[in-house]
Amino acid sequence: QQPVQSPQAVILREGEDAVINCSSSKALYSVHWYRQKHGEAPVFLMILLKGGEQKGHEKISASFNEKKQQSSLYLTASQLSYSGTYFCGTEEGGGDDKIIFGKGTRLHILP
Amino acid sequence: GAVVSQHPSRVICKSGTSVKIECRSLDFQATTMFWYRQFPKQSLMLMATSNEGSKATYEQGVEKDKFLINHASLTLSTLTVTSAHPEDSSFYICSASSYSGGGYNEQFFGPGTRLTVL
Repeated sequence: QQPVQSPQAVILREGEDAVINCSSSKALYSVHWYRQKHGEAPVFLMILLKGGEQKGHEKISASFNEKKQQSSLYLTASQLSYSGTYFCGTEEGGGDDKIIFGKGTRLHILP
Repeated sequence: GAVVSQHPSRVICKSGTSVKIECRSLDFQATTMFWYRQFPKQSLMLMATSNEGSKATYEQGVEKDKFLINHASLTLSTLTVTSAHPEDSSFYICSASSYSGGGYNEQFFGPGTRLTVL
């Protein structure tokens, strides 16, 4: 089942913050976050496995809520290099490692 | 991180021909590989899960006779688009699953293959 991502697109000025949300109607095994630049393959950012987990670093971090149905990606003091499309990918479990991607959030950083 | 390669990176073919895309895990063995397609400005849509030595598992709506997947070894999976038509034009991306050592499997993506069918 495809996760729901929001917002669809964000335009920021360099230095501003952004939050991207990813939600599922049922509890997930894990959430993966990727960033994709135009014409390139997605690049892995991080994975969250535990309910209530928060990980990442000061600039780019993510959380996974207790029920494991909602994750948010936090981009702080954005840089021009953060531009791209961010996808969350969710695993429902079952041992097949299958990831289903959300529709993506296009982030554009202006200087 | 682990490296996954794809070949070719770009292919242009005539309608009706078949195109083979290779996906290789270069420095690790991948028992499971995944094939995705991505239309412009859209998400990655999982097409199939490829397991070494067994038949691929296709997602609903994906024609297995149209998109032939072979996973002959732990480092190579191939996707053949048979009798390609213009609507098959897309960006095809593979990924390979590898145990990260952190208690989970991480997926590493290949650079993608852009297929254009004339």
